[in-house]
Amino acid sequence: SQTIHQWPATLVQPVGSPLSLECTVEGTSNPNLYWYRQAAGRGLQLLFYSVGIGQISSEVPQNLSASRPQDRQFILSSKKLLLSDSGFYLCAWSEQGHQPQHFGDGTRLSIL
Amino acid sequence: DAKTTQPPSMDCAEGRAANLPCNHSTISGNEYVYWYRQIHSQGPQYIIHGLKNNETNEMASLIITEDRKSSTLILPHATLRDTAVYYCIVDNAGGTSYGKLTFGQGTILTVHP
Repeated sequence: SQTIHQWPATLVQPVGSPLSLECTVEGTSNPNLYWYRQAAGRGLQLLFYSVGIGQISSEVPQNLSASRPQDRQFILSSKKLLLSDSGFYLCAWSEQGHQPQHFGDGTRLSIL
Repeated sequence: DAKTTQPPSMDCAEGRAANLPCNHSTISGNEYVYWYRQIHSQGPQYIIHGLKNNETNEMASLIITEDRKSSTLILPHATLRDTAVYYCIVDNAGGTSYGKLTFGQGTILTVHP
């Protein structure tokens, strides 16, 4: 069966520091991969999606970037974190096409 | 983009059926209706999805009206562990090869003993 792993579960970072969140999927090949952010008390917002290695699309302008160096690996990065980058970050995967998305357990990021 | 309207909160007694409504009056012919739920501090969990026909799986049933302008998620025997925020989402990615889910505020379902 397919599984998705995200780490770390929680992270506290100072303003201006870099960020790297990793997500890996097992048990499938060539999945669609997604990064979402959920601000406190609000719905999820799609940040990035990828339909293949090296193919990244951004949904909203922001201080973050994403990369997909391997088929089942999706990385969310920032060179300098802002206070507004705080939130709950979720990675998800789906089969190609209109298929259900399956989410990881998320990373709760606090910026001080 | 097709949008959805859900009641902000609902209550249900344990062991009874929970019926969660959703309006999506601007849905297009090729857009699917998805239901997810999110238990506090966890990632959303996929429940069920459908296009036109009613669907059932081990978790729930999805009833879509004939005009597709609304749907109802049914949890047949709610338990305390079903307490969560339930999201009704219309997949508005059109003919692309990826899904684009837009999460609204959802319905907070509270199951009480």
